[in-house]
Amino acid sequence: QIQLVQSGPELKKPGESVKISCKASGYTFTNYGMYWVKQAPGQGLQYMGWINTETGKPTYADDFKGRFVFFLETSASTAYLQINNLKNEDMATYFCARSGNWFAYWGQGTLVTVSS
Amino acid sequence: DIQMTQSPASLSASLDEIVTITCQASQDIGNWLAWYQQKPGKSPQLLIYGATSLADGVPSRFSGSRSGTQYSLKISRLQVEDTGIYYCLQRYSAPNTFGAGTKLELK
Repeated sequence: QIQLVQSGPELKKPGESVKISCKASGYTFTNYGMYWVKQAPGQGLQYMGWINTETGKPTYADDFKGRFVFFLETSASTAYLQINNLKNEDMATYFCARSGNWFAYWGQGTLVTVSS
Repeated sequence: DIQMTQSPASLSASLDEIVTITCQASQDIGNWLAWYQQKPGKSPQLLIYGATSLADGVPSRFSGSRSGTQYSLKISRLQVEDTGIYYCLQRYSAPNTFGAGTKLELK
């Protein structure tokens, strides 16, 4: 069955970097793009952008240009979200979601806590 | 960017009651709208896609409709397991945008 399994929770200090993984299984990884969604504590869902898993080209929503990086390890069917120079406002749960089928498949979410 | 104005922000309803949640798009998005339910600590679950199509495994008490740029999610007979937060999402153009969410509780 189709699964997206994300890496575990992270505790980081402001200014550090964090890398979140999203490992896909149950389908051909390069046939579907991977999207990223942010959910701050007690808040709604925010679209971050997506990465074309066939070409590796990322597309970022305006609020996520600069410190946020989407990349792939195609051989491992894994997509990554890296956040550089972490800020307090980056504290959130981050979800990956597969394109096609209207985001029927989501990872379980990865909580990133930013605290000095 | 397309704005999705979702209402109400919160809703309290009784078992077997009919519940309706709406999203107003800031411009034409055709049928490029989906509805999701999110339970605490969980990922969103797809309920409706293409504005009116029921996702696999979703109970038939859920339905979606469209009138121009206004989209509605209807729960025909509210059940205990329907509590949670509901979001609309437009996929007509990038960036895709979510509504702010509707928190549904049992009265």
